[in-house]
Amino acid sequence: EPEVTQTPSHQVTQMGQEVILRCVPISNHLYFYWYRQILGQKVEFLVSFYNNEISEKSEIFDDQFSVERPDGSNFTLKIRSTKLEDSAMYFCASSQNRLAGGAGELFFGEGSRLTVL
Amino acid sequence: AQKVTQAQTEISVVEKEDVTLDCVYETRDTTYYLFWYKQPPSGELVFLIRRNSFDEQNEISGRYSWNFQKSTSSFNFTITASQVVDSAVYFCALSGNTGNQFYFGTGTSLTVIP
Repeated sequence: EPEVTQTPSHQVTQMGQEVILRCVPISNHLYFYWYRQILGQKVEFLVSFYNNEISEKSEIFDDQFSVERPDGSNFTLKIRSTKLEDSAMYFCASSQNRLAGGAGELFFGEGSRLTVL
Repeated sequence: AQKVTQAQTEISVVEKEDVTLDCVYETRDTTYYLFWYKQPPSGELVFLIRRNSFDEQNEISGRYSWNFQKSTSSFNFTITASQVVDSAVYFCALSGNTGNQFYFGTGTSLTVIP
């Protein structure tokens, strides 16, 4: 069964360092997302991406964050200068269709745990 | 505004007991979709079910059942004859007819005691 894969599964970094989290969405999917879950809290939307551009982003997704689809398979989330409060589990997700109207179904990866020291 | 409330933070039950996880939602969209996801200790999010707003028929899948009531804006999840493997955090989520994101509740941590 096709799945969303994420690397690394766990990354530890020093505050102020740049981090790139990588995702390989399901191959025929067109919409890509990043969600974040701070330990013990709810899953929060960061950004959605379609047709090589951001289609929606939340207040959390400030100038420190960026996303990119550098080739036909990878989808990356970059945090330019990490802060302690960026420590969280980051989930990549993809869908074949738009979620609005219920046409799409969201498939999540297993998450990348980021620890900022 | 879209909002999902899971008032139960933690629930513990003894194996074989039935347990119901509550979910209450708010939305102004006339068409919307509700979901339940399971997050086991390993951390991944596992899709359980999707319901659309114009289908209030309850659904049963093995030991799992879902009760969708538009009148009370609730989408509750019942596990019958719980098992230790059901121990996880369960999230209810909402997707509206506008925008392209999910809104998650804060989750209910279920512990099934052998």
